[in-house]
Amino acid sequence: GENVGLHLPTLSVQEGDNSIINCAYSNSASDYFIWYKQESGKGPQFIIDIRSNMDKRQGQRVTVLLNKTVKHLSLQIAATQPGDSAVYFCAENRNTGGFKTIFGAGTRLFVKA
Amino acid sequence: DTGVSQNPRHKITKRGQNVTFRCDPISEHNRLYWYRQTLGQGPEFLTYFQNEAQLEKSRLLSDRFSAERPKGSFSTLEIQRTEQGDSAMYLCASSTRTNQETQYFGPGTRLLVL
Repeated sequence: GENVGLHLPTLSVQEGDNSIINCAYSNSASDYFIWYKQESGKGPQFIIDIRSNMDKRQGQRVTVLLNKTVKHLSLQIAATQPGDSAVYFCAENRNTGGFKTIFGAGTRLFVKA
Repeated sequence: DTGVSQNPRHKITKRGQNVTFRCDPISEHNRLYWYRQTLGQGPEFLTYFQNEAQLEKSRLLSDRFSAERPKGSFSTLEIQRTEQGDSAMYLCASSTRTNQETQYFGPGTRLLVL
């Protein structure tokens, strides 16, 4: 339908709980992955990245896990805060000899106080 | 503010008019990217520059779209003979020479074609 694009997958969590946002990527040639956070009316903001030779990377309150076997990426947010409410996009860079960053459809995270 | 800036932030135009958007990347970022984002979707790549050279263009970039980066600093994106389907958020991003894969995005220009 014409409004399919508006129906983002949604995750609702209680403040203080941990959040896990999942993403499936399509191309085994992708060698670099990034998570972005986008708040309403703003551009995407870099959160954390991971290269294909790693399976886990930790930042401040965030952890990214990469499972190349099933082409799956996840973002874990510890002790979720109201300020974490946003749309989260995973993106993959493909090493095709040219530039190619492909963004996923996004997941909307709601944090309940 | 030393981040990526875009102007205007909002643009309303009538179908058939031409519009031009400007992007100022982070100082000394040699790569500059343009994306289009429609409601509920992730950004879609349009084109990118390394310094003043336009190195890649998406099939999404029809002949009504043109982008320039004449001095390797700011960039402009022009849409000629706008159509209602051009309504979207146009995002600009830049990246450094040493970490070209990590892109920093501007706030975007939201275009509405009536």
